[in-house]
Formats: sequence, structure tokens, C-alpha cells
Amino acid sequence: DAKTTQPPSMDCAEGRAANLPCNHSTISGNEYVYWYRQIHSQGPQYIIHGLKNNETNEMASLIITEDRKSSTLILPHATLRDTAVYYCIVRVEGGGFKTIFGAGTRLFVKA
Amino acid sequence: EPEVTQTPSHQVTQMGQEVILRCVPISNHLYFYWYRQILGQKVEFLVSFYNNEISEKSEIFDDQFSVERPDGSNFTLKIRSTKLEDSAMYFCASSLLAVSYEQYFGPGTRLTVT
Repeated sequence: DAKTTQPPSMDCAEGRAANLPCNHSTISGNEYVYWYRQIHSQGPQYIIHGLKNNETNEMASLIITEDRKSSTLILPHATLRDTAVYYCIVRVEGGGFKTIFGAGTRLFVKA
Repeated sequence: EPEVTQTPSHQVTQMGQEVILRCVPISNHLYFYWYRQILGQKVEFLVSFYNNEISEKSEIFDDQFSVERPDGSNFTLKIRSTKLEDSAMYFCASSLLAVSYEQYFGPGTRLTVT
């Protein structure tokens, strides 16, 4: 599975959009980009995933660059409850069972 | 909304004792997983389980660990002889399909080995 690089931490003002970047320059054509988050000591929570098209759901939007070497998770109106560690994970669909978590980005949403 | 549940929320045990951590996956899911997270460290994969057998396991999942689906709803992780280094949060997860990466995680069991 392709390696990802994320900034260790970011701040965001409450009510503003939080844009979390992820680099995955070695991604291959059949690898998807997934995002999970972990709110303090809770179990990880699935957010969104995509292959090459931008995706949006009720939680977030995922923007993947045309060359697929990077992506951005967007929380459109961050709240204090969005303070969490966000994990960008790249892997082949159906290529195995495990989820490999990196260190992620610790997002602090401030009032 | 269906969710994965885990019991107990906190388990304290003495070194060398056996512990069983319990999970109830989402009812129509077919794939089950255990992960652990040592305090301050990454979430680590332990094992995946499908059709009553282990599908994949990590090097952490040695002979001291075992998993079982004793009935149609529960999924358990047993540690036979706990060590101090087994102290961690243990998360159960389930997914409908293997090809789906949307794994749904439970709230975790905090295991403290003294």
C-alpha cells in the first residue's frame, strides 16, 4: 500500500472550513484514498473515500488532484466536536483486510 | 443507526491471567477485526476474521491471542496469559464486505495489566 504524508497538526477556527492535506505521491492506479478520524480515545470513524473523482457526503468533501498524488479532506464548517486525529489511508480496494493507520493529523478546532 | 458495541469498557487484570474481550459487530456484517492502540501510539491491526476463520493476522497476533465467534452475534478476543505490554485500547471493527474499506469501529476496551 502507498505511503502517505500528513502534517502532524493543524488549527482551525470554529465555523471555518478545515482543509487537511495528504500526500501520496507513490499511489498506483487501483489504489483508493480513504479518510478516517479518531476523536480522543474513541474508535476510529470512517469519513469518506475516493479513487479519482471528488467526493462529498454529509460529513466532508474529498478533493483528489488530477495526478492523484495528493488529496485534501475538507470539513466545510468545523465545530469543536471535529477536534480529532485525521488519518489518510491509501490502499487497493479488496487488496486485503487490514487498515494500516499512520500518525495522522491532529486537528484542533478553536472557538 | 447500527453500531459496534464492546464490553467491558475497562478491564483490569494481573499479569499472567487470561482475559476475554467481547464485541457485538453490526448484525449484517460479515467481516470482523481486532485492532489495538497502546497509549500515545498508532492504531495497530491484529486480526481479521471471516466465515469462522482467520483471514489475516499481524505479527502481534501470536499464540497468546485467539479469536472466536461463539454464536451469531458475539466476536471475542482472548489473551491467554497477559503481559504488561498488552495494556492498550482494543478496538473491534466490522465491515459488510472485505472489498469495502468502510470498517465500523466499536468504542474500545481499555485493558490494563498490572
